Amino acid sequence: GENVEQHPSTLSVQEGDSAVIKCTYSDSASNYFPWYKQELGKRPQLIIDIRSNVGEKKDQRIAVTLNKTAKHFSLHITETQPEDSAVYFCAAWRSPLGFGNEKLTFGTGTRLTIIP
Amino acid sequence: GAVVSQHPSWVICKSGTSVKIECRSLDFQATTMFWYRQFPKQSLMLMATSNEGSKATYEQGVEKDKFLINHASLTLSTLTVTSAHPEDSSFYICSASAGQRIAGFDEQFFGPGTRLTVL
Repeated sequence: GENVEQHPSTLSVQEGDSAVIKCTYSDSASNYFPWYKQELGKRPQLIIDIRSNVGEKKDQRIAVTLNKTAKHFSLHITETQPEDSAVYFCAAWRSPLGFGNEKLTFGTGTRLTIIP
Repeated sequence: GAVVSQHPSWVICKSGTSVKIECRSLDFQATTMFWYRQFPKQSLMLMATSNEGSKATYEQGVEKDKFLINHASLTLSTLTVTSAHPEDSSFYICSASAGQRIAGFDEQFFGPGTRLTVL
C-alpha cells in the first residue's frame, strides 16, 4: 500500500521567515496531494492541494511543489505569522480500482511553531 | 463549504461498555464516509471506508467486530466501539465526500472529532 513520509516532525521558525515541509510517497498511482492544517483538538483543514499534472501551485503565502519523478512534494509557507503555528499533514490520494475504492494516506505530521 | 458534524465531541466510559459515535453531513449528501483514529501527537490512520447502503471496507489490522460501522443514509454514518478498553482511547474523526469527482478526487470534509476516554 501507499506509504507517505513527512519531514521534519517539528519545525520552529522565526516570525516572518519561511517554512518548508517535505513529503515523499511510494505509490506511483497517487495523483492528488492535499495538505492539511490541524490545530490542537480540532479537525484537519485543507489549506492547499496539487494534482499530478501540475508541478507547482501557489495561494498567497502558501505554495506546494510536486516532483512526480522523484515522488516528493513540499509545502512552502512564506512570511510566517504566529497563527501559522499548528500541525501540518501531507497526504496522498490513490484510486487503485477506480471509483469507490479511493483513500487518503496521511504523512506523520509536522508541528510548526512560529516564534514571535 | 460543506459541514460535517460529530456527536458526541467527547465521551468517557467504563471498560467493557460500548460507545456509539455519529457522523453527519449537514448540507450535502455523502456518498462515502471515512473513519480515522488519531493518537496523541500522531497522524490520522484510516480505519474504514463506508458507502451508503453497503458494508464498510476495513483497513488491515482493524477489527470489524470491534469497530462496527453503519452508513444507514446519505447523511449519517455511525461508529460503535464495542466492549471498549483503555487502549481504544483515542481521537476519532470522520470525514465525508460528496461524490463530486473533480479531476478524480472527491474532497473530504472532516468532522470535528470525538475524544474517547476509556477508564
